[in-house]
Amino acid sequence: LAKTTQPISMDSYEGQEVNITCSHNNIATNDYITWYQQFPSQGPRFIIQGYKTKVTNEVASLFIPADRKSSTLSLPRVSLSDTAVYYCLVGSLIYNQGGKLIFGQGTELSVKP
Amino acid sequence: EAQVTQNPRYLITVTGKKLTVTCSQNMNHEYMSWYRQDPGLGLRQIYYSMNVEVTDKGDVPEGYKVSRKEKRNFPLILESPSPNQTSLYFCASSAPGHYGYTFGSGTRLTVV
Repeated sequence: LAKTTQPISMDSYEGQEVNITCSHNNIATNDYITWYQQFPSQGPRFIIQGYKTKVTNEVASLFIPADRKSSTLSLPRVSLSDTAVYYCLVGSLIYNQGGKLIFGQGTELSVKP
Repeated sequence: EAQVTQNPRYLITVTGKKLTVTCSQNMNHEYMSWYRQDPGLGLRQIYYSMNVEVTDKGDVPEGYKVSRKEKRNFPLILESPSPNQTSLYFCASSAPGHYGYTFGSGTRLTVV
C-alpha cells in the first residue's frame, strides 16, 4: 500500500474553510483514499472516502486530481469541535488486500476562536 | 446501534500473565483488525482478518495472537505480556468495499 505524507499540524480559526493535503505518490490502480478524524483517547472516526475526482458528504469534501498522487480534505466552516488529528490513508479495493490499512502520522488541526 | 465493542476499557496486569482483550461487532462485517497507538508512533496495525478463520499479520504482530472463529468476534491475545506492550488498543471492523472502518472505544493496557 502507498505511504502517505501530510502536514504535521495546521492552525485555523472558527468559521474558516480548512484544506488538508495528502501526498500518496505510489498509489495503485486498485487503491482508494480515505480520511479519518481522531479525538484524544478515542477511536478514529471515518470521514470520507473516494477514488477519483470529487466526493462530498455532510461533513467534508474530498478532491482527488486526475493523477491521484495527492488528495485534499476540505472542511467547510470549522468550529472548535473540529480540533482533532486527521489521517489520510490509502486502502486496497482488492478483497484479500482490503484488510490492511497503514496510518501515517496524521495532521493535528487546531481551531481557535 | 451499530458498534464495535471492546472489553475491558482499562486493564492493569503484570508481566507474563496471559490476557485476552475481546472485540465484538454487530454489523456482520467481514473485515476486522487490531491496532495499537503509542505517543509519537501513531496507529500501527497488529493483525487483521478478512473473514472467519482468515487472519494475517499487520506491521507489529510480535507478542500477539488473534483468532477469528466467529464472524462477529476477533479477540486479541497476549500470551506473555511485557511492559513494551503497554499501549492504547483499538479494534475495528468494515465490510469489503464499504466506506470506512468502525472503531471501538479502545482498551488502555498497562503491563507492570
